[in-house]
Amino acid sequence: QSALTQPPSASGSPGQSVTISCTGTSRDVGGYDHVSWYQQYPGKAPKLMIYEVSKRPSGVPDRFSGSKSGNTASLTVSGLQAEDGADYYCSSYADSYNLVFGGGTKLTVL
Amino acid sequence: QLQLQESGPGLVKPSETLSLTCIVSGGSISGSDYYWGWIRQPPGKGLEWIGSVYYTGTTYYSPSLRSRVTISVDTSKNQFSLRLNSATAADTAMYFCARQRSGVQLWSVPAWGQGALVSVSS
Repeated sequence: QSALTQPPSASGSPGQSVTISCTGTSRDVGGYDHVSWYQQYPGKAPKLMIYEVSKRPSGVPDRFSGSKSGNTASLTVSGLQAEDGADYYCSSYADSYNLVFGGGTKLTVL
Repeated sequence: QLQLQESGPGLVKPSETLSLTCIVSGGSISGSDYYWGWIRQPPGKGLEWIGSVYYTGTTYYSPSLRSRVTISVDTSKNQFSLRLNSATAADTAMYFCARQRSGVQLWSVPAWGQGALVSVSS
């Protein structure tokens, strides 16, 4: 059982927006601004898409955005494109020098 | 350009020690800007952080694995290693090595190796 809770699946049509949630506790998501989001294609290593809740690494399209409210973080993908179909994982720093991940969300572009 | 390459046995017997090495190229492991970490992913499941090491040898470990894990760094060879004792079938996973920035960005992982699949089976 993963420390952070994500919906197993999400979907949207090309051009639409979709939001994936990541729920934790005050000891991880709610307590720190160290939430990250990763995109992973089958058989590949994850790719960092968002760090420190809402910052995008160089090269990540601005269609990807992150936010946080209380113990829940969110990743929003706007203007969905076919290549956005992948698994998405959230992570957060947790108390006492620990890094925890969500169980992952499979995003399907219809 | 940074490259991280995992190496080690793909098959480990139960109760034995799982050992992997990450060879770093295109950058020095002996820098104050980075930590070096291990993350694993069982087949069809989510990601799990194992731990991270600084070039000085300072380590952080997942509380759930701390009793069985050792992560070490060899600056002369520009590589770092993972040892997981008393392996069981539950340790079967793709193991990724990674580079993390030190400081406030420590808890995000911008650089990953391609991964090495390790199966624990007799």
